Amino acid sequence: EAGVVQSPRYKIIEKKQPVAFWCNPISGHNTLYWYRQNLGQGPELLIRYENEEAVDDSQLPKDRFSAERLKGVDSTLKIQPAELGDSAVYLCASSPPLPRGHPGELFFGEGSRLTVL
Amino acid sequence: KQEVTQIPAALSVPEGENLVLNCSFTDSAIYNLQWFRQDPGKGLTSLLLIQSSQREQTSGRLNASLDKSSGRSTLYIAASQPGDSATYLCAPSVLGKLTFGTGTRLQVTL
Repeated sequence: EAGVVQSPRYKIIEKKQPVAFWCNPISGHNTLYWYRQNLGQGPELLIRYENEEAVDDSQLPKDRFSAERLKGVDSTLKIQPAELGDSAVYLCASSPPLPRGHPGELFFGEGSRLTVL
Repeated sequence: KQEVTQIPAALSVPEGENLVLNCSFTDSAIYNLQWFRQDPGKGLTSLLLIQSSQREQTSGRLNASLDKSSGRSTLYIAASQPGDSATYLCAPSVLGKLTFGTGTRLQVTL
């Protein structure tokens, strides 16, 4: 069974440029997460989807970050324009459905490492 | 807001030792708690998931316990091996949201 697939693995851009990350979750997993991980820290949730619906985007900096999951399968996270402080690893995870919106076991992709110069 | 603390922040042990990693959390109304492993430059790999109704969960040389009322979980690794070297993170879940600790960086030496 294929795991969570993310691309690109690495991206280097100059500040004020746009960047996009793509994630394809495990087949059958209706919940998809985007996390940001800074060096030496644990991941922090940016947005959580249940199918196509963003059920928790309270931590997403909406002035420059956007995300979509149009058909309830793969997802894209975009930053425009990027700032120096956005340098981090962006992790995508998915989990199978459980009752009442609680998360099952999370499976992570390898992450996309962003460097903003 | 859930706060998660992991102690120690780093640990170096010789091969073969048994060891305990600690995780504490402030909001005990958790649904479940997961332990993950992260190798350098990689994503997170799920090790164990404990439901709030369980006291412990085992997988091979790993055993995780949960004391929900006191807001604590421990990960026990038996007979450590150099391949166990990684960062270990815990993540309790409240209302569908996981909060991660900063992890324990483990090095197992020959």
